[in-house]
Amino acid sequence: GESVGLHLPTLSVQEGDNSIINCAYSNSASDYFIWYKQESGKGPQFIIDIRSNMDKRQGQRVTVLLNKTVKHLSLQIAATQPGDSAVYFCAAANAGNMLTFGGGTRLMVKP
Amino acid sequence: ETGVTQSPTHLIKTRGQQVTLRCSSQSGHNTVSWYQQALGQGPQFIFQYYREEENGRGNFPPRFSGLQFPNYSSELNVNALELDDSALYLCASSGTGLYGYTFGSGTRLTVV
Repeated sequence: GESVGLHLPTLSVQEGDNSIINCAYSNSASDYFIWYKQESGKGPQFIIDIRSNMDKRQGQRVTVLLNKTVKHLSLQIAATQPGDSAVYFCAAANAGNMLTFGGGTRLMVKP
Repeated sequence: ETGVTQSPTHLIKTRGQQVTLRCSSQSGHNTVSWYQQALGQGPQFIFQYYREEENGRGNFPPRFSGLQFPNYSSELNVNALELDDSALYLCASSGTGLYGYTFGSGTRLTVV
């Protein structure tokens, strides 16, 4: 089955700097990947997604990169703000749209 | 457009009891799935419902069961509660042809 892991449990960045959160997945058949942000007491909130036929997708201040060769994806947040402080999860979807989540990275933004 | 709503928000149960958690899907969404999130971990897939039928299940025992109703709302039932069932239970909905899910804020279940 699929397993999804994150490289760091905690990431601390200075306000205004760029943040990079990494994730590895195991199942090369996974064809859709999503990044979620989860704030304390709330459910996961969609940030950005990418399909396996793409290697990069950009949103507002966020970019997701997918490297299928090494089964790795990353989330880049530009000009990190205090409101970006949260736990970030990557998730891989199988053909039935069932998600396998990684363990999460806590992003802490220092003022 | 309303999002996904779950009830109750918090619940305390005794080991061995049964619990029912409820979820209203986002308007226009016909698929619902449930996830269990233990403290400090990522959500784990429990099962998924589409057109009132279970069409996918994770590694959870049969005492975890569910229902989806004609209006696409859903219930998660857990029998014979164990201490390890203490977690945040998340409901998520999606629409036909859409990937990914919209999540509710969850029900925090504590088993004592």
